[in-house]
Amino acid sequence: DTGVSQNPRHKITKRGQNVTFRCDPISEHNRLYWYRQTLGQGPEFLTYFQNEAQLEKSRLLSDRFSAERPKGSFSTLEIQRTEQGDSAMYLCASSFLWGGEFSYNEQFFGPGTRLTVL
Amino acid sequence: EDQVTQSPEALRLQEGESSSLNCSYTVSGLRGLFWYRQDPGKGPEFLFTLYSAGEEKEKERLKATLTKKESFLHITAPKPEDSATYLCAVRNNAGNMLTFGGGTRLMVKP
Repeated sequence: DTGVSQNPRHKITKRGQNVTFRCDPISEHNRLYWYRQTLGQGPEFLTYFQNEAQLEKSRLLSDRFSAERPKGSFSTLEIQRTEQGDSAMYLCASSFLWGGEFSYNEQFFGPGTRLTVL
Repeated sequence: EDQVTQSPEALRLQEGESSSLNCSYTVSGLRGLFWYRQDPGKGPEFLFTLYSAGEEKEKERLKATLTKKESFLHITAPKPEDSATYLCAVRNNAGNMLTFGGGTRLMVKP
C-alpha cells in the first residue's frame, strides 16, 4: 500500500501528559501537512513542510505543539502537557508540488490519529 | 480570510433519488477547489479538483461543477454505499493550506 500512513490510530492519555504522533507520507511526495478535525467539523490546517523545512504554521498551533520532518520523509507531531481541548482527530496529508510558478497541489490524507484526553 | 460554507449540513435520500450538495466560497485568488469524501473514523478521500469557473468533472455517480462563487456536487441515482460526509475545500494563491467547509453528511436509504 503506497498511501499515507499514521501511527498510532488511537491514543488515550491523561491531561498533562505528552503525546507524539507519526506520519509517513506517499514516498515521492515533497510536501506534508498536519490538520486537526473535531467531531462534525471540517479539518483545520495546523502546519506544513516542504521537504524538511517547516514553511507555515497556523495560529491554532500553540507553543505546546511541535512538528518535525527531520529528513524530509516521515513527520512527527508532539503535543506537550495535553489538555482536554486537544481531543480531536489529527490528520496528515501529503502532496507533490508541480507546475512551477502556478502550482497544482492535490493533497492525499492518511487515516488519522484519534486523540482522547481524559 | 478564506471562507467555505456547505449546505445542507445533512441530507437523507432514498436510493435512486438524485440531488446536489452546495459549496459556497470566498477566496483571494482561487488555486483550486477540492472535493473529498470521508467515511466515519477515516481520513478524507480525494475525489476532484476544479481550477476554473465552468469546469466540470465526473466520477461514477458524482459530478462536480464550479462557478466563481460556488461549487456543486451532483449525485445521480445514489446507492447506500454513497453514504458519507462530503467535504469541500479551497486553496488560495498565497498559501498552501486547504480551507475546509463543515461538510454535508449524506445518508442514502435502500
